[in-house]
Amino acid sequence: DQQVKQNSPSLSVQEGRISILNCDYTNSMFDYFLWYKKYPAEGPTFLISISSIKDKNEDGRFTVFLNKSAKHLSLHIVPSQPGDSAVYFCAATPSGGYQKVTFGIGTKLQVIP
Amino acid sequence: DTEVTQTPKHLVMGMTNKKSLKCEQHMGHRAMYWYKQKAKKPPELMFVYSYEKLSINESVPSRFSPECPNSSLLNLHLHALQPEDSALYLCASSQEGLNTEAFFGQGTRLTVV
Repeated sequence: DQQVKQNSPSLSVQEGRISILNCDYTNSMFDYFLWYKKYPAEGPTFLISISSIKDKNEDGRFTVFLNKSAKHLSLHIVPSQPGDSAVYFCAATPSGGYQKVTFGIGTKLQVIP
Repeated sequence: DTEVTQTPKHLVMGMTNKKSLKCEQHMGHRAMYWYKQKAKKPPELMFVYSYEKLSINESVPSRFSPECPNSSLLNLHLHALQPEDSALYLCASSQEGLNTEAFFGQGTRLTVV
């Protein structure tokens, strides 16, 4: 039973355009959400996070949007760059969240020069 | 130093062998984790150590035995593994407390033959 779902296994975007990666969750206890980026042969690297008390968090080219009622979050990358090509994992942790993080299956983003 | 270092990078072991995976961080993080990741699957939490004490064991079989000798080191002792245990084993660390991101090592690619 996947509690964090990333339904698009892959995404291709032209350099300079917007990349939108989506994530849905089912567990109402989740209240902190993270995005990790993973290059081949490396461990995941933290990218950006959002608490459930917010609906948007922005860090440079990366913005995460949270829609709690829809149990949906998305990561926007603008403008996309070839170096952004990686696998992006959505992750969630519950209230009082003891770092018991649940990961989605990941979306492979390819940014085409 | 913002690295989590895992050794070895690759390991091939027989089902009767005993081996250990090692993880080290010098960021002063007091929470350390072991994750297991199979191909095309999300990282799955195995163990969490907090202040060198085991705080979460996600019903992991006893053939996996974690150890935290001190605040910088985390080991995973392996004994009598099965071929289905072949996976990428990721170590991570984080600050104690809520809503903090984890720093991951690059993982140990384990093959059980």
